[in-house]
Amino acid sequence: QQQVKQSPQSLIVQKGGISIINCAYENTAFDYFPWYQQFPGKGPALLIAIRPDVSEKKEGRFTISFNKSAKQFSLHIMDSQPGDSATYFCAARIENSGGSNYKLTFGKGTLLTVNP
Amino acid sequence: DVKVTQSSRYLVKRTGEKVFLECVQDMDHENMFWYRQDPGLGLRLIYFSYDVKMKEKGDIPEGYSVSREKKERFSLILESASTNQTSMYLCASSSSGTGPEKLFFGSGTQLSVL
Repeated sequence: QQQVKQSPQSLIVQKGGISIINCAYENTAFDYFPWYQQFPGKGPALLIAIRPDVSEKKEGRFTISFNKSAKQFSLHIMDSQPGDSATYFCAARIENSGGSNYKLTFGKGTLLTVNP
Repeated sequence: DVKVTQSSRYLVKRTGEKVFLECVQDMDHENMFWYRQDPGLGLRLIYFSYDVKMKEKGDIPEGYSVSREKKERFSLILESASTNQTSMYLCASSSSGTGPEKLFFGSGTQLSVL
């Protein structure tokens, strides 16, 4: 089953706090795990991504933690700001059956609200 | 910057109508995708294409078809629109060579079927 489970569905954090969003998967054929950020009225945009041979990746205030044995990965937003308020989607990449390309399966999304 | 343009931001159609959603990308990307986004269900893949005149079914292809006659254009077709196809439709593209997992999305078309 090509499925990525994401939690929580919504999250409210105070300015300066840490936002944590979790995802889990079952299919070990997934080989790349990006996170997308979507603001109202816009399409999602790639935020940060990680490969399964790395346990952590950090870009500015955004960090992905990856636990291969548990088949879980999470997004941490440090020093959360009101401008971070958006919907966040985790995703997982799998090779297409033809072997020459890939497709992404997305989680259901987390609506993050950062209060000032 | 990559630009993915969807022809309509809002669209209202009647049940049974044939509906065309158009998407154009300007970065010569090989891969193009159609997703639908529904509250609580996230992004679900309808169809995708890795080359001109080529198409593959995604996770929820029922009731939809696609057309890719030119590399830059990918159309989603609802042969006979139904109310359960009311949704936000997102088109995306990516490059096979420089990052097939990096999708560039359009701003979406909110389709209402009455």
